[in-house]
Amino acid sequence: GAGVSQSPSNKVTEKGKDVELRCDPISGHTALYWYRQSLGQGLEFLIYFQGNSAPDKSGLPSDRFSAERTGGSVSTLTIQRTQQEDSAVYLCASSLLPVSYEQYFGPGTRLTVT
Amino acid sequence: AQTVTQSQPEMSVQEAETVTLSCTYDTSESDYYLFWYKQPPSRQMILVIRQEAYKQQNATENRFSVNFQKAAKSFSLKISDSQLGDAAMYFCAYRRRGAQKLVFGQGTRLTINP
Repeated sequence: GAGVSQSPSNKVTEKGKDVELRCDPISGHTALYWYRQSLGQGLEFLIYFQGNSAPDKSGLPSDRFSAERTGGSVSTLTIQRTQQEDSAVYLCASSLLPVSYEQYFGPGTRLTVT
Repeated sequence: AQTVTQSQPEMSVQEAETVTLSCTYDTSESDYYLFWYKQPPSRQMILVIRQEAYKQQNATENRFSVNFQKAAKSFSLKISDSQLGDAAMYFCAYRRRGAQKLVFGQGTRLTINP
């Protein structure tokens, strides 16, 4: 079956613009995760969804970042008023909780803020 | 807070030889999981091997094995018979039992010399 997919693959935006990043998890996976990979901070957890609710959003760096998940499937990570420090690769993962805790990752979206 | 440290930013090895990547972690928990992930240039993180902290036996997956030293909080990855396709970034990761987020180390870039 298809793996985790993310779109767009690459996104270049101007400072101050809003961006939306999309994640399609593996079909049937109940849990979905967002991570950020940047040169300065390494790989950081952002938020975790179980179904459509987010029990852990402790990694969101500021109120400019938000995420939602609809229908227990697709998730969108929105960054408002982008800053240059938001430049990073945003990775999405999904897992079939509680059957398996293994997280399957997508190829990521590379965001560049100019 | 849990932290994961990979002290080797880069490693290189000759094809067919053995290489060991180091990882140490800091936690006050007794029940947790440790992982090694591979990230090739495609950016997609791939799970290489997993270790449950309550298991004394070191995990093995084909050419990949770990040396898990719980008291020393050390979790190294040994790659035997290195192949060109093993070239990638390798990340050590920690997950506390009951939590969902992965805590990653900074990564080690592995180069395989033909």
